[in-house]
Amino acid sequence: GENVEQHPSTLSVQEGDSAVIKCTYSDSASNYFPWYKQELGKGPQLIIDIRSNVGEKKDQRIAVTLNKTAKHFSLHITETQPEDSAVYFCAPYYSGAGSYQLTFGKGTKLSVIP
Amino acid sequence: EAEVAQSPRYKITEKSQAVAFWCDPISGHATLYWYRQILGQGPELLVQFQDESVVDDSQLPKDRFSAERLKGVDSTLKIQPAELGDSAMYLCASSFLAGVLSSGANVLTFGAGSRLTVL
Repeated sequence: GENVEQHPSTLSVQEGDSAVIKCTYSDSASNYFPWYKQELGKGPQLIIDIRSNVGEKKDQRIAVTLNKTAKHFSLHITETQPEDSAVYFCAPYYSGAGSYQLTFGKGTKLSVIP
Repeated sequence: EAEVAQSPRYKITEKSQAVAFWCDPISGHATLYWYRQILGQGPELLVQFQDESVVDDSQLPKDRFSAERLKGVDSTLKIQPAELGDSAMYLCASSFLAGVLSSGANVLTFGAGSRLTVL
């Protein structure tokens, strides 16, 4: 099965600074790379995703970069705001040959200090 | 915006009792997933349905857990008997199609979850 590691496990930044979370995966066949944000008491919410044939994707203040050779992808949040405080999960996804696996990392708790 | 509905939001039970969770996926979503999330961890897949059929239940503890999606729409996850280690958040998610998760048209959407505490 897929081994997924996220780093760091906790991250504190000052409001306005940038935050970067890295996700390393083991299955080179993974072909879809989403990031989820989970606020306290809620289910995870998809915030950005990228397919394996794309190296980078941006959506306003958030971006995801993918390095398939090194088998890692990263979440970048710029100009952080207090409402960005949450737990973020990467979940590399493999689909093929009748098997579909979305494997979550252990999460990164981001705290944005006003 | 379409949502995945789950109930109850919170459930406290004593060990050895039976508990059940209900999920209503987004209308038209053929694939439904049940995940378990232990505090401080990422969600782990318990069971995946395609319409009314189980696609993957390899991580479901079948001696005490059962899941059904009889008409291919809403689903129920049952635990009997509950054990202390079952305390967790039970999350339901749905997607339009299985196997083709991708940006835009077919993404995984989660419900708010059901928090179970076993005493």
